[in-house]
Amino acid sequence: DTAVSQTPKYLVTQMGNDKSIKCEQNLGHDTMYWYKQDSKKFLKIMFSYNNKELIINETVPNRFSPKSPDKAHLNLHINSLELGDSAVYFCASSQFRLAGFANTGELFFGEGSRLTVL
Amino acid sequence: DQQVKQNSPSLSVQEGRISILNCDYTNSMFDYFLWYKKYPAEGPTFLISISSIKDKNEDGRFTVFLNKSAKHLSLHIVPSQPGDSAVYFCAASARVSGGYQKVTFGIGTKLQVIP
Repeated sequence: DTAVSQTPKYLVTQMGNDKSIKCEQNLGHDTMYWYKQDSKKFLKIMFSYNNKELIINETVPNRFSPKSPDKAHLNLHINSLELGDSAVYFCASSQFRLAGFANTGELFFGEGSRLTVL
Repeated sequence: DQQVKQNSPSLSVQEGRISILNCDYTNSMFDYFLWYKKYPAEGPTFLISISSIKDKNEDGRFTVFLNKSAKHLSLHIVPSQPGDSAVYFCAASARVSGGYQKVTFGIGTKLQVIP
């Protein structure tokens, strides 16, 4: 009954390979995110989707392509992996509230997926 | 460009005493500030937040103070307990187009509460 679940939790792969990380949330939220925590421990937003629509797209290489088949899923596909892609990738979700209600930025995170590129 | 800064990478506090974690920010457009707690091998979990129009919010042992003129906020934990040992992330959110919020995180402060 995990609220935000990511698979796989660990991924070790060679440079140049293509890999995907899947994320699913059962909280009924309509907004999902991918964050990257690099070796310096910075937690940086990469993408955000609301109801399958891209709403935030930070300066991320084109090799990263998010896909949201429905509002409960946000997958991350990475092409031609590089050493610098090694990081922990966190999926998160939130519920967007309409006008009159505060959108505070409270996020619900998954446990993270540690990607190691050799 | 680090818009949310946590200058203390670590902090050790005796059990029962007060823990004070500090955070500075640079972007005046932030309208909410949040603290998240993270245990090893887990994702961050939301702890407490404060609106930019307030200067204090309290939830049990946790209080967040906001000094908008100094662009500074702090999290007070009192009394500190060993279970509070974790990495604490300061975060700030700003509205982007469409009314959505973009959340920016600091680098985190590792708190160790010594029994």
